[in-house]
Amino acid sequence: QQQVKQSPQSLIVQKGGISIINCAYENTAFDYFPWYQQFPGKGPALLIAIRPDVSEKKEGRFTISFNKSAKQFSLHIMDSQPGDSATYFCAASYSGGTSYGKLTFGQGTILTVHP
Amino acid sequence: EPEVTQTPSHQVTQMGQEVILRCVPISNHLYFYWYRQILGQKVEFLVSFYNNEISEKSEIFDDQFSVERPDGSNFTLKIRSTKLEDSAMYFCASSEYAGGTDTQYFGPGTRLTVL
Repeated sequence: QQQVKQSPQSLIVQKGGISIINCAYENTAFDYFPWYQQFPGKGPALLIAIRPDVSEKKEGRFTISFNKSAKQFSLHIMDSQPGDSATYFCAASYSGGTSYGKLTFGQGTILTVHP
Repeated sequence: EPEVTQTPSHQVTQMGQEVILRCVPISNHLYFYWYRQILGQKVEFLVSFYNNEISEKSEIFDDQFSVERPDGSNFTLKIRSTKLEDSAMYFCASSEYAGGTDTQYFGPGTRLTVL
């Protein structure tokens, strides 16, 4: 019930291409869906986040698409750059009840962008 | 830019020994978290802490684990008697607000190796 499933495990894209990472969740109480970017040796850093009252959010080259009925959300990276090479985690949390911000993470996607 | 710091960056210990991992959250933040990431796996929630008490904990956070805010700036995770399976990267995070929709800022992590 609490799981967030992420795919693919790894992704190789050419510079300038579009990277797409997908996540699916089960718990309909989730109401906050952030994406985190992690470089080797660093902690996860928030990239972009969405709430379920909107279907899409765009920040620069990064876009989250959200499908509430399908319980799926995805990250699109336009014009992918070698500097985008990192591990990407989707996550989910809920704000009701006794929750104090516990993030449930997906398994992670290792993105490699070739020059 | 304010950041979460963690010490040490790498801790090696013998099985059965006690370890204390230290974190300095962002100064005006009120909510604190510990997560862990076993090599190659997803980031997992351990515990959240607010107002000097545990708010929520996962099933991983058993009696061997404890957290403390010994002063106004530090937040610690203690593992009383380490096991081989405790080997992981431990991340501290903090947020200004809770409720599951505020940004959690992660530290760089402490890599714990139990021999």
